[in-house]
Amino acid sequence: DAGVIQSPRHEVTEMGQEVTLRCKPISGHNSLFWYRQTMMRGLELLIYFNNNVPIDDSGMPEDRFSAKMPNASFSTLKIQPSEPRDSAVYFCASRPTGSNTEAFFGQGTRLTVV
Amino acid sequence: SQQGEEDPQALSIQEGENATMNCSYKTSINNLQWYRQNSGRGLVHLILIRSNEREKHSGRLRVTLDTSKKSSSLLITASRAADTASYFCATVAIINTDKLIFGTGTRLQVFP
Repeated sequence: DAGVIQSPRHEVTEMGQEVTLRCKPISGHNSLFWYRQTMMRGLELLIYFNNNVPIDDSGMPEDRFSAKMPNASFSTLKIQPSEPRDSAVYFCASRPTGSNTEAFFGQGTRLTVV
Repeated sequence: SQQGEEDPQALSIQEGENATMNCSYKTSINNLQWYRQNSGRGLVHLILIRSNEREKHSGRLRVTLDTSKKSSSLLITASRAADTASYFCATVAIINTDKLIFGTGTRLQVFP
């Protein structure tokens, strides 16, 4: 397996534009996580899915953020409209079923909103 | 809010020295995991310690867990320049074993 695949790797957009980040988890993994990493706030859990169902979105900062997982092999994180304070590195991670399992991270998407 | 707090925030040592990083957490856990992040990359899993374990080894890594103090430590022995990275602890709670919450991380710099 190629691991967790995120796209794009880098995104520069203007304030007010819609941004869509994409993630392909490892096949067979039941849980998918979206994290945001900044210097100020560290690594924050935004939302996670279990078997394609959103379980906990309490970390989503505002209504401008939304995430979907239409099937087991694809998830998106959308920001509409984007703001400069959304600039961060966004990571997707997947994890197999079981409490004693590790998470596998993608390479991240570095988002810059100007 | 983040589950774990780590200290120190940053650590600089010479090659060959040992590096110790500490993690404190707030709720009862099922297990605690340590991850490494090289600059500009995703996190990579290093080691997992279950709540009923007190110590675990993997190569040059030694992890301890004290559930009474809600704390863990990661020791890297005989450090190398290639160990330079950020290190994060992550907890899996007893109540919700799907969720993985990360600490604030320790930036380790190993000088050759």
